[in-house]
Amino acid sequence: QSALTQPASVSGSPGQSITISCTGTISDIGGYNYVSWYQKHPGKGPKLVIYDVTHRPSGISNRFSASKSGNTASLTISGLQAEDEADYHCSSYTTTGTLVFGGGTRLTVL
Amino acid sequence: QLQLQESGPGLTKPSETLSLTCNGSGGSITKSSYYWGWIRQPPGKGLENIGSVYYSGTTYYNPSLKNRVIISTDTSKNQFSLQLRSVTAADTAVYYCAMSTIGYYALDIWGQGITVTVSS
Repeated sequence: QSALTQPASVSGSPGQSITISCTGTISDIGGYNYVSWYQKHPGKGPKLVIYDVTHRPSGISNRFSASKSGNTASLTISGLQAEDEADYHCSSYTTTGTLVFGGGTRLTVL
Repeated sequence: QLQLQESGPGLTKPSETLSLTCNGSGGSITKSSYYWGWIRQPPGKGLENIGSVYYSGTTYYNPSLKNRVIISTDTSKNQFSLQLRSVTAADTAVYYCAMSTIGYYALDIWGQGITVTVSS
């Protein structure tokens, strides 16, 4: 069960948009519509921002959106704000019945 | 609002068993829940799924840890637990408990994490 592949870091200026990719295989991302994205600030537990590929939990800003194409999922954050600076982790359901996570992407707001 | 809190020893010796408990407060962990799970983050690395137990009682474990892990629930105490046997330094990590109330495969409630170091 290999980890999903994410870029180590991305950056953007306030007000801009950024996109984080998450690449897996047909055994995880490509095979199921169960991709989630988590925001993690230092010293805190992860926070779910997207589930089931495109859905936002209650209370999550509509600046967060996501999609999937083939074996790759993407998270887009528009109108970047300083508070968005965090690590972002993707996850997917897999054929083994478990979840697999990506290595995480550090978002820096310049 | 339901919150989760991990508890257990912060230091475990190599070859011993790591035991952690996740306690729910502010509500029942069984209300509207799909499953409960444990996830860890080794220093400088990404999140790693350890395993989960579904409301039905079925458990699923990360294949790389399967032979060493047991996850169980005690709903009467509003908690669920993790046991990881034969630990090594590679098991040093921040351990998180989490649960899903929003869907089968998304974790929407997380604990704040507990740091566990494996060292003699």
